[in-house]
Amino acid sequence: AQSVTQLGSHVSVSEGALVLLRCNYSSSVPPYLFWYVQYPNQGLQLLLKYTTGATLVKGINGFEAEFKKSETSFHLTKPSAHMSDAAEYFCAVRARYNQGGKLIFGQGTELSVKP
Amino acid sequence: GAVVSQHPSWVICKSGTSVKIECRSLDFQATTMFWYRQFPKQSLMLMATSNEGSKATYEQGVEKDKFLINHASLTLSTLTVTSAHPEDSSFYICSARGVSGSLINEQFFGPGTRLTVL
Repeated sequence: AQSVTQLGSHVSVSEGALVLLRCNYSSSVPPYLFWYVQYPNQGLQLLLKYTTGATLVKGINGFEAEFKKSETSFHLTKPSAHMSDAAEYFCAVRARYNQGGKLIFGQGTELSVKP
Repeated sequence: GAVVSQHPSWVICKSGTSVKIECRSLDFQATTMFWYRQFPKQSLMLMATSNEGSKATYEQGVEKDKFLINHASLTLSTLTVTSAHPEDSSFYICSARGVSGSLINEQFFGPGTRLTVL
């Protein structure tokens, strides 16, 4: 069975500092990997995804993530945090060979950005 | 492109009444739609998967008679919370997956519906 673990339910950074949100997955076959952002009382917006090819994936709003098979990780980074980045972030996985597969979400990480 | 809407965005109802939430894919066709529930400060919990023209598949522990799902067309799925009680108060989010191309590998999420049962 697949699972996703996000280390740290709350991360706080200063404006301009590096953002690092951690995500590890458990799966016998590397799954599709996703990062979503959720602002208060809103749905989820896709930041980026990894399906195949280059392991460093660039997304919207300056975020990127690197798929590391050896570490079963897909950590999300952004070089310089902005106040508008404050939100809830979810890592998710989906089975690679099952088109009907469900998304499995991590527990989420709340990012706070201090001025 | 790939926009999903939900209606209503929020609803307050009395205990014992039923509430219907609509999920629409506005600019693409969706054979599969998903319904999630999210409690405050928690992750999304998948409630059910609905495929157009067939019965929904409910996750373990989700009462199908309590949460009625209908996916009558390729652009519309509805979730009806029957005989709602205060413990059903939550944020309900739907997502839709397209029928072809790049849309088939991604779920597009609606903005959510806040349900409060008094």
